Amino acid sequence: RKEVEQDPGPFNVPEGATVAFNCTYSNSASQSFFWYRQDCRKEPKLLMSVYSSGNEDGRFTAQLNRASQYISLLIRDSKLSDSATYLCVVNPDNAGNMLTFGGGTRLMVKP
Amino acid sequence: NAGVMQNPRHLVRRRGQEARLRCSPMKGHSHVYWYRQLPEEGLKFMVYLQKENIIDESGMPKERFSAEFPKEGPSILRIQQVVRGDSAAYFCASSRNRAIPSFGPGTRLTVL
Repeated sequence: RKEVEQDPGPFNVPEGATVAFNCTYSNSASQSFFWYRQDCRKEPKLLMSVYSSGNEDGRFTAQLNRASQYISLLIRDSKLSDSATYLCVVNPDNAGNMLTFGGGTRLMVKP
Repeated sequence: NAGVMQNPRHLVRRRGQEARLRCSPMKGHSHVYWYRQLPEEGLKFMVYLQKENIIDESGMPKERFSAEFPKEGPSILRIQQVVRGDSAAYFCASSRNRAIPSFGPGTRLTVL
């Protein structure tokens, strides 16, 4: 079983749509959680951290369910510029920042 | 404020040659991480270094790969006797203490 699992997609959605990505992780002792965005042939960039209480940043909402070991990302009112691969990332412990990445979910927003 | 810098951005090597990838962390960052991304896959942790010390190398292949972060100069990821399976994007990240790391633009290694 992979440590962080994501549906690879692609998710093809029209502009303005709402789209949700999910991710599960296997290490129940994991301490911190993130969503990163990676554009084609570029480095991953932090989109947002994920907290148990849920957090929102503009059109993006992230949620963590520790009991189910499940992380989600909701994107509202999709823009063409949201087209990218979204990486679910887990920090297994706080001894360092050796992040564990999921394989990514590809999103394509079409006009 | 320069971000994490990596060079070269693209590197082509023939099988059996050596590849040296360099990473200059952000100013003030003393923690460096190397990740590898194979085609169509997610990033995989390789090694975590602080100045002059390897803290965790649990993701490094046992042979041919080595990393260093000297007191002066960039961190180096060295791959000896490269094989086609080493073709990948290699990303370096740096952080200050336990802050969320920032990633460099990566080095794309192609082995012919």
